[in-house]
Amino acid sequence: KQEVTQIPAALSVPEGENLVLNCSFTDSAIYNLQWFRQDPGKGLTSLLLIQSSQREQTSGRLNASLDKSSGRSTLYIAASQPGDSATYLCAVIGTSGSRLTFGEGTQLTVNP
Amino acid sequence: KAGVTQTPRYLIKTRGQQVTLSCSPISGHRSVSWYQQTPGQGLQFLFEYFSETQRNKGNFPGRFSGRQFSNSRSEMNVSTLELGDSALYLCASSLDYGGVGTQYFGPGTRLLVL
Repeated sequence: KQEVTQIPAALSVPEGENLVLNCSFTDSAIYNLQWFRQDPGKGLTSLLLIQSSQREQTSGRLNASLDKSSGRSTLYIAASQPGDSATYLCAVIGTSGSRLTFGEGTQLTVNP
Repeated sequence: KAGVTQTPRYLIKTRGQQVTLSCSPISGHRSVSWYQQTPGQGLQFLFEYFSETQRNKGNFPGRFSGRQFSNSRSEMNVSTLELGDSALYLCASSLDYGGVGTQYFGPGTRLLVL
């Protein structure tokens, strides 16, 4: 059974700092990995999708990497802003279907 | 292009009642999945529909059911509601089956069971 773990559970940083969020998964037989953000009481917003054959994806100030063999992914946020404050979730899809298995999330607070 | 829409956004029900939630995927998307989010259990997969057929089912009791229509819109139904069914129910749509592309989530339906 796939298990996804995110470290740290919570993170508080001053504005402007670069930061890294970590995600690990137990079964390396994944189809892809997706990073989401969730604002309080809201749905999930897709940030980046990495296919299993890819090593990284970039979108603006965000960069996600994937090391499938070691079961790890990182989300790098450059020059953090207060608007980045949210819960960040990583999720993997196995090799059958579109079922996402989620981590518990990292709650990020960026202080002005 | 409009995003994923879910109705209603909020619901209050009492134990024993039943509820139906609706999800309209992004135009052209044919796969719809449902998830339950609670503070204690996080995000858990309920089921996935593609071409009006349930393709995957999570570990939930038979009180939870769903269906998909020919226009890809989906509904989920929970019968005999329990207090523990209080949660945010999220639906996600993707272009095709099999995890090929990005999954896009709706704003969710928040269900409170009293």
